[in-house]
Amino acid sequence: AQSVTQPDIHITVSEGASLELRCNYSYGATPYLFWYVQSPGQGLQLLLKYFSGDTLVQGIKGFEAEFKRSQSSFNLRKPSVHWSDAAEYFCAVGALSPTGTASKLTFGTGTRLQVTL
Amino acid sequence: DTAVSQTPKYLVTQMGNDKSIKCEQNLGHDTMYWYKQDSKKFLKIMFSYNNKELIINETVPNRFSPKSPDKAHLNLHINSLELGDSAVYFCASSRGQAYHLFFGSGTQLSVL
Repeated sequence: AQSVTQPDIHITVSEGASLELRCNYSYGATPYLFWYVQSPGQGLQLLLKYFSGDTLVQGIKGFEAEFKRSQSSFNLRKPSVHWSDAAEYFCAVGALSPTGTASKLTFGTGTRLQVTL
Repeated sequence: DTAVSQTPKYLVTQMGNDKSIKCEQNLGHDTMYWYKQDSKKFLKIMFSYNNKELIINETVPNRFSPKSPDKAHLNLHINSLELGDSAVYFCASSRGQAYHLFFGSGTQLSVL
């Protein structure tokens, strides 16, 4: 069964500083990996996804993530954080249902990002 | 235009009651989901329907019964509510194998 570990529960960075959120996954086959962001009182919004190909993927809002198979990691980065980036960030690994008609995402426990001015 | 909408946004009720949460998507997707987010923010899939057919059922108590009248709607009915059912319930949709899930803004259920 797949699993996702986000080792940092809470991270605080200063506005303008760089950011890296860690994600490690466990999955028997080629993983499909995602980062979602959840603002307070909101649903989850997809930041970026990795299916195959280039291991450095670009997402929305200036985020990027790098897939490293040897380390089973998919860390999220941003060169310069803005105050509006304060939110909860979730890493997820996806698998198809046995019928191939639905996607089963397994989420990590999330990392709460606080941005200080 | 809201892509995935759920109602109500907040639901406060007593133990033992029965309640329903409704979800609608206007994205033309054929697969819909219910996820539960507990107080520690952990998200776990509960159900998934594809074209009104149940695809994923993650050993959820049978007090929870999803119903999909058509592929744009997926409702969740909960019988005999318990304190442990308090959580945020998210509806989501995707285009079958697309993996990219679009989430609603959640329904915060509080059982007193």
